[in-house]
Amino acid sequence: KAGVTQTPRYLIKTRGQQVTLSCSPISGHRSVSWYQQTPGQGLQFLFEYFSETQRNKGNFPGRFSGRQFSNSRSEMNVSTLELGDSALYLCASSSHGRTEAFFGQGTRLTVV
Amino acid sequence: QQQVKQSPQSLIVQKGGISIINCAYENTAFDYFPWYQQFPGKGPALLIAIRPDVSEKKEGRFTISFNKSAKQFSLHIMDSQPGDSATYFCAATFSSNTGKLIFGQGTTLQVKP
Repeated sequence: KAGVTQTPRYLIKTRGQQVTLSCSPISGHRSVSWYQQTPGQGLQFLFEYFSETQRNKGNFPGRFSGRQFSNSRSEMNVSTLELGDSALYLCASSSHGRTEAFFGQGTRLTVV
Repeated sequence: QQQVKQSPQSLIVQKGGISIINCAYENTAFDYFPWYQQFPGKGPALLIAIRPDVSEKKEGRFTISFNKSAKQFSLHIMDSQPGDSATYFCAATFSSNTGKLIFGQGTTLQVKP
């Protein structure tokens, strides 16, 4: 079974630009969550989607948004990038009724 | 109420020794406590998890001890190996919806040969 796939692996963007990251969950998993990982703040929850609906949301500004498609693939978008948005963005998927969450390798975003 | 506090921030252990990482949580409604292991350049991988109805869970060299009254839980790595060198994160969430994990700050473990 293929794992959680995140694309791209690396991104360099300029302040003020916007960026879209993609996550393909494990086949059959309908829940997709996004996390931001930084050295200072650790792993912080961004949002979770289940069956195309946002089910949970973390404490991030509205510049961070996401969506989920009917095939469970998910995208997250960050608009008006700031230097502080530089981070590893991780996606995790889980199966309905199961507790285990599986992470992808992440997308390393650098804002210059 | 949503915080999970993890200590120590870093840990150096000799090969064959015991590594101990501690976590404390605030929200008593949490009922699922996983530990994740992360190697550089990789995403976190689920190591072991426990629910509050048991006080200890063991899988190979990894053991979780859980103290519900103190709202604390810990990871013990027995016979630590250099290959265990990684960052470890504890987390807390609700078993009914594990899509939102609240993570501790992480512990960087170095096992010296």
